[in-house]
Amino acid sequence: SAVISQKPSRDICQRGTSLTIQCQVDSQVTMMFWYRQQPGQSLTLIATANQGSEATYESGFVIDKFPISRPNLTFSTLTVSNMSPEDSSIYLCSAGMGGGAGNQPQHFGDGTRLSIL
Amino acid sequence: QKEVEQNSGPLSVPEGAIASLNCTYSDRGSQSFFWYRQYSGKSPELIMFIYSNGDKEDGRFTAQLNKASQYVSLLIRDSQPSDSATYLCAVNPGGFKTIFGAGTRLFVKA
Repeated sequence: SAVISQKPSRDICQRGTSLTIQCQVDSQVTMMFWYRQQPGQSLTLIATANQGSEATYESGFVIDKFPISRPNLTFSTLTVSNMSPEDSSIYLCSAGMGGGAGNQPQHFGDGTRLSIL
Repeated sequence: QKEVEQNSGPLSVPEGAIASLNCTYSDRGSQSFFWYRQYSGKSPELIMFIYSNGDKEDGRFTAQLNKASQYVSLLIRDSQPSDSATYLCAVNPGGFKTIFGAGTRLFVKA
């Protein structure tokens, strides 16, 4: 399976600031995904990032708040903008293996634990 | 709304027993099914995937799929305390997105 590196692993930020999370995959993948996971909750998909096109956002998530870049087939970033305490969560990136076909499993980075003061 | 349902647990089993984790899904056209294990404070780790009706075995793990009943399960034989974690059922209903269940917490008592 692919190795997915995510950084930072954790951060404590002041409200109103922005943080960019980086995700690097050790092989080329078509689709990358960004999730949020609140403590004790399951994964909530924020957006799907396909190289060469705009990210596709899920209901409740907007580009102005969570801008995503996908400059190549191995890298993506998620920015959490104008942060508030409600944004405190674990943010996870994942990549769909097997060329990004939906029937292939996703593998996850180690996550970014974000706390907003 | 496409859904994946799991009992939140906790499911408690003694060491050495079989743990049975269950999942139902709403989209009858779903073709791909996955089980992830998530330890506290860690990210999800893929442990099994299954595409066809029936059983698929990998070591102590067996995934079972019944598309007619829209039901997928995970059996863990000879459960160990190290198996204590949250198990996420995930379903791909078509396209690139995967729908995750809320997870079942498993506790294996030594």
